Amino acid sequence: QSVLTQPPSVSGAPGQRVTISCTGSSSNIGAGYDVHWYQQLPGTAPKLLIYGNSNRPSGVPDRFSGSKSGTSASLAITGLQAEDEADYYCQSYDSSLSGPGVFGGGTKLTVL
Amino acid sequence: EVQLVESGGGLVQPGGSLRLSCAASGFTVSSNYMSWVRQAPGKGLEWVSVIYSGGSTYYADSVKGRFTISRDNSKNTLYLQMNSLRAEDTAVYYCARVESSYDAFDIWGQGTMVTVSS
Repeated sequence: QSVLTQPPSVSGAPGQRVTISCTGSSSNIGAGYDVHWYQQLPGTAPKLLIYGNSNRPSGVPDRFSGSKSGTSASLAITGLQAEDEADYYCQSYDSSLSGPGVFGGGTKLTVL
Repeated sequence: EVQLVESGGGLVQPGGSLRLSCAASGFTVSSNYMSWVRQAPGKGLEWVSVIYSGGSTYYADSVKGRFTISRDNSKNTLYLQMNSLRAEDTAVYYCARVESSYDAFDIWGQGTMVTVSS
């Protein structure tokens, strides 16, 4: 059971907008710690997609955006494309644990 | 090019040991925070260990006392020594650089598979 809760799966048709939620608590997201998002394409290593709640690394399309409010964060993907089909993970710091952070359980995005 | 390349994975019996290596290029391991993250087959990501630029080390409770993270500055390489391995340690192990301003894992290796089985 992860400290950060994500829906196991979401889906959308090409061109649509989907959102993935990441729900935490007062010891992580609610305490003001940053949330980061990773995309893991099938059979590959994770890739940093969003850092510091809403910042995109160089090369990440602006179709991907992140936000945070209270004890939750969200990843939004607009103009859904077939190549977006992947697993998505949120990550944040938790004051009750050691190390740089804890991951959410992951969300499988299916493009219909 | 900034890159991380892991090696050292394989099949090991329960109770055995294995040492993973992660060779970095394009940046200096000792000047950065470096971590190991693992992913059991069909499961999510789990943070395992971190070594900070100052040398401090931390571990997930699941591996504390069994795993040791270290680095060789002359080889610009990160290591993970894994002892007393258990079946539940079976996973792909990734090394990753931690971007220190945000504590985000910004560079990842391709991963190396560790299978603990008799």
